[in-house]
This record gives sequence, structure tokens and C-alpha cells, in this order.
Amino acid sequence: KAGVTQTPRYLIKTRGQQVTLSCSPISGHRSVSWYQQTPGQGLQFLFEYFSETQRNKGNFPGRFSGRQFSNSRSEMNVSTLELGDSALYLCASSTVLAGPNEQFFGPGTRLTVL
Amino acid sequence: GDSVTQMEGPVTLSEEAFLTINCTYTATGYPSLFWYVQYPGEGLQLLLKATKADDKGSNKGFEATYRKETTSFHLEKGSVQVSDSAVYFCALWATGGGNKLTFGTGTQLKVEL
Repeated sequence: KAGVTQTPRYLIKTRGQQVTLSCSPISGHRSVSWYQQTPGQGLQFLFEYFSETQRNKGNFPGRFSGRQFSNSRSEMNVSTLELGDSALYLCASSTVLAGPNEQFFGPGTRLTVL
Repeated sequence: GDSVTQMEGPVTLSEEAFLTINCTYTATGYPSLFWYVQYPGEGLQLLLKATKADDKGSNKGFEATYRKETTSFHLEKGSVQVSDSAVYFCALWATGGGNKLTFGTGTQLKVEL
């Protein structure tokens, strides 16, 4: 079974631009979560989608948004990029509706904002 | 709110040494606890988990026991290898915590010959 895939793997943007990252979950997984990883803040939860609905959102500004499609693939968008948005963005998918579960992580997209 | 505290790194050990990485947590209710590992340039991989008090998670020679009385989930391995060099993250999934993992800051482990 193929794992979680994220595209692109690397991205370089300049301040003020916007970016869209994509995540394809493991087949059959309907929950997709996004995390931001930075040296200073560590791993922080962005949002979680299940059946095309955002169920939970972390403490990030409105510039960060996401969506999920009917095939469970998810995208996240960051508008008006800032230098501080440079990070590794990780996507994770899981099967169950709620409760403690195992999240499978993709390799991440490394975003650099210049 | 929920939080996870890990020991600062980097931790540098010689091959075959004993490893302990401390992890303590704060959460309401009865969270599930996890250890994830991240190798250079890769995403996170689940190493082991425990879902209730006194459970012991184990995998690839690593172990951790869910200690509710001390709110701890320390990671141990009896004999580390160079290939264990990575960053290790302790995490919790809280009941009613909004379908998300809360991570510690990570501990970098370097194993030398």
C-alpha cells in the first residue's frame, strides 16, 4: 500500500506570494491533518479534515487555509507569505473517525520564503 | 492546555550504550501517548504507542511505559546502534483534544562508533 505523498517536496517563494501544497493520503484514509515544523516552534498543528470538512484548526492566522476533496486528497494554501512561514509542512492521514489513532506522515514539503 | 516536555538534546552516545529520553506530559483525562522518530530529510514515523496507564509500547528494541502517577512516557533502548541516530518526538493525543497530536520539542540522538 502506498504511503502518504506530498507534492512538491521543495518550494522556494518570495515574500508576499502565495503557495499551495498538496497531500494524497493512504488509500482508504479519510482524515488528513497538517502540521508545521520549524526549528523555533517545533511541530504545530495547523488543521484537520475529515470527509471534506474541517473539524479542527490550530492557532494560525487566516493566511493559512486548507481544503479536502471528495477523494480525500487535501491541499493547504498560504497567502501573503512571510519569512517566518519557512518550514517543513507535514501531512498525516488516518482511518478512524475520532479517538486515539495512528497517524501516518508524509515526507513533507520544505518551503523556503526569501 | 495539553503539553509535552522532552529532555533537551542533542544526546550523544557510543554504540551499544543504554538510551533514555525523558518525556513528561500535561493533559486532562487519559491521553494516548506516542513516540515518533524522524530521520534526516524524512517525515515522522511512529515508533511505539501506549493508550492507557501501565501499558508498555515496544518496537525495534525501544520501549516506553505509560506512567500515569508520574505523567511520564520515557523512551529506553538497551543497546543503541549508529542507525538509531535521528530526532525523537514524544506526543500525546488527548481525549476530547480536537483530533490532533501535541508534540514535544524533539530530542536529537547521535550514536557514534
